[in-house]
Amino acid sequence: NAGVTQTPKFRVLKTGQSMTLLCAQDMNHEYMYWYRQDPGMGLRLIHYSVGEGTTAKGEVPDGYNVSRLKKQNFLLGLESAAPSQTSVYFCASSGGDTQYFGPGTRLTVL
Amino acid sequence: GDSVTQMEGPVTLSEEAFLTINCTYTATGYPSLFWYVQYPGEGLQLLLKATKADDKGSNKGFEATYRKETTSFHLEKGSVQVSDSAVYFCALSGGYSGGGADGLTFGKGTHLIIQP
Repeated sequence: NAGVTQTPKFRVLKTGQSMTLLCAQDMNHEYMYWYRQDPGMGLRLIHYSVGEGTTAKGEVPDGYNVSRLKKQNFLLGLESAAPSQTSVYFCASSGGDTQYFGPGTRLTVL
Repeated sequence: GDSVTQMEGPVTLSEEAFLTINCTYTATGYPSLFWYVQYPGEGLQLLLKATKADDKGSNKGFEATYRKETTSFHLEKGSVQVSDSAVYFCALSGGYSGGGADGLTFGKGTHLIIQP
């Protein structure tokens, strides 16, 4: 049982480049989330989805887009990366009130 | 909006000491409360949770009681081990709806260091 997986684990981008982070879950959960973790800030919600084909903005959505074309996958896109988007990104899924987290993607934008 | 405040770290203790990490919250409605733990280089793992007032969550020797009157959910452990060294996050969900659909609100995290 893999739970929540994230691809890639590490990535370095140059300012202005684009990329997509992939999150996959095998628990048949309806809800999926993207957070970013910055030193001294805890985790902050970027976007979330309450079901296939739906997305909604969280606390810090600017500069990111998401898609949920399949129930098991939730993609996070950066259209034009900026140094302020250097962070660790965590995906989570939930079937109720408990969220299960992936191992994270460490992104550096130079 | 909802918010969670937890004690700043790092918190350094000797092995077998008693641990308390304070957590207070502000929320409208009836949130569920959580403690998550993050070991170095890993994602967050659920440590324990409580879904209504006076509930006590417990796991691996850790406990926390949902206190609505003081809006608190303090984490305690009677005798810590070196392996408990990690970052601990207090979080809440569903202040409005009681459900988890709209994401968790996290505290900033408390770095716990246990010395042998």
